[in-house]
Amino acid sequence: QNVVTQEPSFSVSPGGTVTLTCGLSSGSVSTKYQPSWYQQTPGQAPRTLIYSTNARSSGVPDRFSGSILGNKAALTITGAQADDESEYYCVLYMGSGIWVFGGGTKLTVL
Amino acid sequence: EVQLVQSGAEVKKPGESLKISCQGSGYTFTTYWIAWVRQMPGKGLEWMGSIYPGDSDTIYSPSFQGQVTISADKSISTAYLQWSSLKASNTAIYYCARRSSGDHFDYWGQGTLVTVSS
Repeated sequence: QNVVTQEPSFSVSPGGTVTLTCGLSSGSVSTKYQPSWYQQTPGQAPRTLIYSTNARSSGVPDRFSGSILGNKAALTITGAQADDESEYYCVLYMGSGIWVFGGGTKLTVL
Repeated sequence: EVQLVQSGAEVKKPGESLKISCQGSGYTFTTYWIAWVRQMPGKGLEWMGSIYPGDSDTIYSPSFQGQVTISADKSISTAYLQWSSLKASNTAIYYCARRSSGDHFDYWGQGTLVTVSS
């Protein structure tokens, strides 16, 4: 069974740049998995940030960007702000209508 | 405006049954898959399964197959998630989400908190 891996936690200074990654326990992440990224703050529903590897959802600031780095999907936040402090989840589409979420990365901005 | 509105919080006892709902509006309900996603207390998001309301085609995560039933009533643009016999371990927030025309979730419901406790 495929497991989607994410860093459990990360910290970034205000104004700094951070890259969160999303890997597969067996194999490499490529665009075929249509990686998407979601932001969740406590008590709120997830918010869609990035889809199809690098497309920004409507209203998402351009400091958020998606890519493939090596064998992983990546979410980069450039110029981090205090309200970027959230949990970030990646999701990979396995085909045949099946998705797998990563365990999430708790991002601290300090 | 696309909206997914979920039913309210539930408090149930172990062994009871439950059906929660997710009503879509602002789009053609029958032409987009609806997914259900679980979030246990303090934990991450898990895809449970999805339904295509147009023909009720349903796909379950292996982790949830046989544990829950996903259904839809296209006449009232509503998808459902149900349990026949709840356990304490079903305590979680359950979200519905619309699968976009691509392969991601573009709209989310507000979540339904289900608490199972004796």
